[in-house]
Amino acid sequence: NAGVTQTPKFRVLKTGQSMTLLCAQDMNHEYMYWYRQDPGMGLRLIHYSVGEGTTAKGEVPDGYNVSRLKKQNFLLGLESAAPSQTSVYFCASSPGQWEQYFGPGTRLTVT
Amino acid sequence: GQNIDQPTEMTATEGAIVQINCTYQTSGFNGLFWYQQHAGEAPTFLSYNVLDGLEEKGRFSSFLSRSKGYSYLLLKELQVKDSASYLCAPRSPGNTGKLIFGQGTTLQVKP
Repeated sequence: NAGVTQTPKFRVLKTGQSMTLLCAQDMNHEYMYWYRQDPGMGLRLIHYSVGEGTTAKGEVPDGYNVSRLKKQNFLLGLESAAPSQTSVYFCASSPGQWEQYFGPGTRLTVT
Repeated sequence: GQNIDQPTEMTATEGAIVQINCTYQTSGFNGLFWYQQHAGEAPTFLSYNVLDGLEEKGRFSSFLSRSKGYSYLLLKELQVKDSASYLCAPRSPGNTGKLIFGQGTTLQVKP
């Protein structure tokens, strides 16, 4: 039981490049979330999903897209990376109205 | 509104007791979570309160007063390994399971 895993762990992008971050959970959780964490800003919700095939915008969705084609996977895409998207990205999953379980994070630098 | 207020930093000595306060202004209260986050790591769940009163889990306890929009996390018998950020996170109204994170309180425990 691996819990929540994120791929990759680190990445450096140039401005304008695109990439996809993968989040996978093996706990059969319905709900999944993508956050970014910046110094002094706390965790901010980017997008979330309450079930397979559903997605919704969070607090800071601009510049990101997501997909939840399979229940266990939640993908976060950056179409054209910008330096402002340099951050640590955390994925989390939850069985519903209970605690969220977080992945180890992806450290992204955009130059 | 979604205004969460916690002290930014606290310092304590090993073996002592520390109380980390959190005030929140969220309409439609739907439960409150506390998370611990060590530097460079993912947040991990500590406690959950939905009714008024104290929830005790070993050295950690969490208190909630819904009428006052107030919670605190109490850490007893502090250890150096308790040095971390502590995140207060009320849950949004509705069934999305979304959490609203404040900036967190960075606690340093000195030997």
